[in-house]
This record gives sequence, structure tokens and C-alpha cells, in this order.
Amino acid sequence: EVQLLESGGGLVQPGGSLRLSCAASGFTFSTYAMSWVRQAPGKGLEWISVINYSAGTTYYAGSVKGRFTISRDNSKNTLYLQMNSLRADDTAIYYCAKDFWGDGSSSYFDYWGQGTLVTVSS
Amino acid sequence: DIVMTQSPDSLVVSLGERATINCKSSQNVLYSSNNKNYLAWYQHKPGQPPKLLVYWASARESGVPDRFSGSGSGTDFSLTISSLQAEDVAVYYCQQYYSNPRTFGQGTKLEIK
Repeated sequence: EVQLLESGGGLVQPGGSLRLSCAASGFTFSTYAMSWVRQAPGKGLEWISVINYSAGTTYYAGSVKGRFTISRDNSKNTLYLQMNSLRADDTAIYYCAKDFWGDGSSSYFDYWGQGTLVTVSS
Repeated sequence: DIVMTQSPDSLVVSLGERATINCKSSQNVLYSSNNKNYLAWYQHKPGQPPKLLVYWASARESGVPDRFSGSGSGTDFSLTISSLQAEDVAVYYCQQYYSNPRTFGQGTKLEIK
């Protein structure tokens, strides 16, 4: 059974940093691209970043480019999102999601974690 | 970026009746080389992660009830629930995966009358 478990969310002040983790199990993590998708309160879903199976390719949404960094450790079956220069509008539930493909090209998401809440407020 | 626009924003349907949600993309998401539409549908219930229902515009994900069906091609797509059940109350999203950035529609909230 595929499982994705996010952690690392919490309350952070504007301008601060936070690192999210997503522990994966139940599939061969090292062969699939992985994404982060967020949902701000009362808003819809927003894809923010993807990393391919080997960590050789990454893409970012314009809203986070230059502030967020996606990475992965295939030896630990774990996905990360380093979030810097956080703003109030980054407040959201952050989901990790498994891409259907491995290369990081655009894909749909066949499995999702339960999400972790990030609140940016003073 | 490809903009995805869903209609309506909310929908109220009686139990057992048909519900149809529409999704329009600002650009064609049909890839001519394989004749596939790069369009997916998700169901999102409060407190749960989104769930994949349909991919390639009309392929139902394993385990999804057959009352859910996707249709359309090019820029215009629909998700139909043939006979609404109480457990179908949720927000539904379309998503294009023709190109990065992947983009979602704004969501359609489905409620029971």
C-alpha cells in the first residue's frame, strides 16, 4: 500500500524558513517523480514544485520560484521542501503527491499524503 | 501557463440524479502524437487528501465507482456522476498535465439537495 506522510509544518513568522518532509513507502520511491501541491484556506489546489526520480530535474511554480527548494533522498525514501522568505500568502496545507511518471515532465498525481499545515503569521 | 476554468462553481443535485461538471482549458491539451488528452479529475473531501478519479480525460482510476465518467477533448471536458450518492459530496477539480506548470481548475463544490 502506497503511503505518503508529511511532517514539518507549523507556525512561522513572515520572512522565516521551514523545511517539510514527506516519507514514502509502498512503492519504489527512486523511480517516480514527486511533487508538492498546496491549498490555501478557502482556496483551490495549487501545484508548486516537482522533482524527477533522480533529482536531476526540478520545476517550480512562479509563486515560489527562488524561495522554495525541492529535494529528495532516495536512500531514505524521503521528499523535502525547503521554504525560505515565507509570506502570509504561503499559509496553506502542503501535500506531497506521487507523479504517475518518473521524469518530472507534467503528470497527474496518483497518490497524495494527508498534508501538513503551514501558517505564516506574526 | 494553461488556465483551467470550471463551471459551475457550485452545484446542488438531488440524490440519484445526474451531476455534470465542466472544465475548459485555455489551450489545447490533446497531444497529437498519441491522441491523448492530458486532463485529470480529482475528488476532494474535507479533512482528506484529494483522490484521483479520472486521467487521460476518460480513463477511470482503479476502484473508482463506474457512476463517475469523464469525457471531452481538446479544450472542453466534463465529469459526470450518473446517479449522485451521499458520499459524493465534495469539491471536484480538473487538472491539465499537458505542460508544466500543471494547473488546476478553481474547483466545483457539489452538494446534495
